[in-house]
Amino acid sequence: GAVVSQHPSWVICKSGTSVKIECRSLDFQATTMFWYRQFPKQSLMLMATSNEGSKATYEQGVEKDKFLINHASLTLSTLTVTSAHPEDSSFYICSARDAGTSGRFSYEQYFGPGTRLTVT
Amino acid sequence: AQSVSQHNHHVILSEAASLELGCNYSYGGTVNLFWYVQYPGQHLQLLLKYFSGDPLVKGIKGFEAEFIKSKFSFNLRKPSVQWSDTAEYFCAVLNSGYSTLTFGKGTMLLVSP
Repeated sequence: GAVVSQHPSWVICKSGTSVKIECRSLDFQATTMFWYRQFPKQSLMLMATSNEGSKATYEQGVEKDKFLINHASLTLSTLTVTSAHPEDSSFYICSARDAGTSGRFSYEQYFGPGTRLTVT
Repeated sequence: AQSVSQHNHHVILSEAASLELGCNYSYGGTVNLFWYVQYPGQHLQLLLKYFSGDPLVKGIKGFEAEFIKSKFSFNLRKPSVQWSDTAEYFCAVLNSGYSTLTFGKGTMLLVSP
């Protein structure tokens, strides 16, 4: 149980174009999902918290207009990288919390396999 | 947000050797701590977590971690590593408000057969 998928797993796009990455919770409902960015040999940096039915909460330094997040349903959040540039090339990982849990178990995050974005 | 530091960036061990990976967190009152593992080409998986109670936490695959409040530490241990333990290990702390996680920079463990 508690499986999170991401699509696509790898995408190459040209500079100036937009790319959408999907994050799905396959066997549970997630009112809260998180988007991370991971640079090579570095840690996961939280970009934003995605809340179902409301606006995402972005971390300091993350451009809201560049990284558009939509959490339209309890099982799907999307991250759109708009007007992508080579410096946006990175590994993007999402995670989700199981809305069906309570107490301390509700804090656990289940991670997707990540999406490798390369902007040429 | 809290901060997490992992002192070892790369660790190389032979099979059957004992493992201890360091993790220190910044003070923030009540702490909730996690260790995640990322095997090559796979997603992050939870190894173990500490919320309260017994400071010695046992996780999956023979891993354990000890929460030492006086040292702000949550070191990961395994008495005898296997080649299959080759992976990257991340320590993380739950930030106040119980919302987001802050990760350490990770430790790459290579176990030679």
